[in-house]
Amino acid sequence: DSGVTQTPKHLITATGQRVTLRCSPRSGDLSVYWYQQSLDQGLQFLIQYYNGEERAKGNILERFSAQQFPDLHSELNLSSLELGDSALYFCASSESWRSSYNSPLHFGNGTRLTVT
Amino acid sequence: AQKVTQAQTEISVVEKEDVTLDCVYETRDTTYYLFWYKQPPSGELVFLIRRNSFDEQNEISGRYSWNFQKSTSSFNFTITASQVVDSAVYFCALSETNVEYGNKLVFGAGTILRVKS
Repeated sequence: DSGVTQTPKHLITATGQRVTLRCSPRSGDLSVYWYQQSLDQGLQFLIQYYNGEERAKGNILERFSAQQFPDLHSELNLSSLELGDSALYFCASSESWRSSYNSPLHFGNGTRLTVT
Repeated sequence: AQKVTQAQTEISVVEKEDVTLDCVYETRDTTYYLFWYKQPPSGELVFLIRRNSFDEQNEISGRYSWNFQKSTSSFNFTITASQVVDSAVYFCALSETNVEYGNKLVFGAGTILRVKS
């Protein structure tokens, strides 16, 4: 068990809808990351937050947004969903905002989103 | 730009065989970190090992070992005496210390390992 909690585990919704994915980081971790895993794109970095502030941005669509709350949990909001958004969405956390030997990323079990 | 290449798409071995997963990376940074993650059929991503760019000492941890060679930009991972439970997708990942990138991990495409009994 990585200590990172993601809810829900599965989500099925229709095109055009909006969903919210939730992540609770490991105790003591201040950084939260979101990754998308799809068959054609592999594991892609979306966005990173550190202690409530956006730290780094990857290939995140404008229809997607995220935030990290004062209690350090994070939410990823996906709107105007398209069939191509179907994927496994991972949240990860680490202690530091920068890469370090002692601060690897620990991943949650993911949320599988299916858009029909 | 950062890039991680795992040329082996799929490997099949028989139980108790040793298997090496290849990883080649590209980076402009002089300080970086390399990782291996495992994704079993259940779907979660499990952290396995890490190595920083200024420590080329190869190590063994149980049935796992890794060979880091900066000169060839390779970070290969070996499982000794493979077991059926080792069947999973294995990802190599690279992280740079560039302030701009924060702690972003760049993943390879993954290698599917099938261990048959």
